[in-house]
Amino acid sequence: GQQLNQSPQSMFIQEGEDVSMNCTSSSIFNTWLWYKQDPGEGPVLLIALYKAGELTSNGRLTAQFGITRKDSFLNISASIPSDVGIYFCAGQEYGNKLVFGAGTILRVKS
Amino acid sequence: NAGVTQTPKFQVLKTGQSMTLQCAQDMNHNSMYWYRQDPGMGLRLIYYSASEGTTDKGEVPNGYNVSRLNKREFSLRLESAAPSQTSVYFCASSEGGSSGNTIYFGEGSWLTVV
Repeated sequence: GQQLNQSPQSMFIQEGEDVSMNCTSSSIFNTWLWYKQDPGEGPVLLIALYKAGELTSNGRLTAQFGITRKDSFLNISASIPSDVGIYFCAGQEYGNKLVFGAGTILRVKS
Repeated sequence: NAGVTQTPKFQVLKTGQSMTLQCAQDMNHNSMYWYRQDPGMGLRLIYYSASEGTTDKGEVPNGYNVSRLNKREFSLRLESAAPSQTSVYFCASSEGGSSGNTIYFGEGSWLTVV
């Protein structure tokens, strides 16, 4: 099956720093999604990308759908303590099946 | 808004026992899904139902059965639980029908098989 490579696996950054993470795939996706999961909760959608090359922002978050349709990145600017959690990328095939990356664990040092 | 509701939140089973995880959504979505989450492996699709009356296997269906009871409800059954099924299970739903529909997740069910 398709696999997504998400990196880095974990990050420990200083509050106020910018954060960048990305996902790559060997296959083309029609949609890229970025989710955040807080401890003990289900994943919550942060940003959805529907077109190759699309750049979308949601507050301090910015994500891009790669031109090749095989990759996507997520940037978080000026990180704050509540940004801690696990961030997942997901590629969506036709028929709505999602393929998830393994996640990036973000820890912020205040 | 309740969104996607799944029960129970926590469950401990003995090896060989059976149980059913219940899921309901109130968003009138056509498609529903069951995922499991294990450390370092992201979320893996167990089964999904593209529409009422249909179910299909996902990436890791062995040891599980599902029932799409109606448009709102999609249950996951473990007939004979094994320690390898210790995991966090997430139900999800989406409008379905074409690509680009957002998938919404429940809060998860923590299952331990001893």
